[in-house]
Amino acid sequence: KNEVEQSPQNLTAQEGEFITINCSYSVGISALHWLQQHPGGGIVSLFMLSSGKKKHGRLIATINIQEKHSSLHITASHPRDSAVYICAVRRGGATNKLIFGTGTLLAVQP
Amino acid sequence: NAGVTQTPKFQVLKTGQSMTLQCAQDMNHEYMSWYRQDPGMGLRLIHYSVGAGITDQGEVPNGYNVSRSTTEDFPLRLLSAAPSQTSVYFCASSPTGTGGSPLHFGNGTRLTVT
Repeated sequence: KNEVEQSPQNLTAQEGEFITINCSYSVGISALHWLQQHPGGGIVSLFMLSSGKKKHGRLIATINIQEKHSSLHITASHPRDSAVYICAVRRGGATNKLIFGTGTLLAVQP
Repeated sequence: NAGVTQTPKFQVLKTGQSMTLQCAQDMNHEYMSWYRQDPGMGLRLIHYSVGAGITDQGEVPNGYNVSRSTTEDFPLRLLSAAPSQTSVYFCASSPTGTGGSPLHFGNGTRLTVT
């Protein structure tokens, strides 16, 4: 079982829909990152969380440390949101390594 | 402020050839790392560095060498390319290697080994 699991793997939405992408992890962490990767493009950091909730524009990220779960929400989705969204956790303690999920491919149709 | 710059963007090698993937950052970040991205798998750590003169292996280091002679540069060397090294490679940096550090990625290098 992977230490970081994302769901769904693929998601198709209509423009304007509210979107949720989930990330569950099984290790102790010091932080969780949400990243965005457009097709053929580089990787951009969206959020870094260690507790609670963060909001940036139409994007909201939440984390529940006790349940080892994080969600990325996109409100009023737009075709330009189409991308792969990647969850990554930084392990706590001496290891301190990043572990990446396999990503969620989001397609927002006009 | 260019961020993290990777070169080249694309490269085709024959089996057995060697090459160096370049990575440079201008943010004075201590922590730099190399990942490979393969279909159906999460990014996997190849090598990382917590500062100039210090490097360490990640989870898939075989076939790759790194050095960190300056804070800015962290090149990745393939000494004898193999088809299994066909992948997209990303360099990333952060102020430190600890939990509270945001990540900055380069635009990637798409490598094909024939």
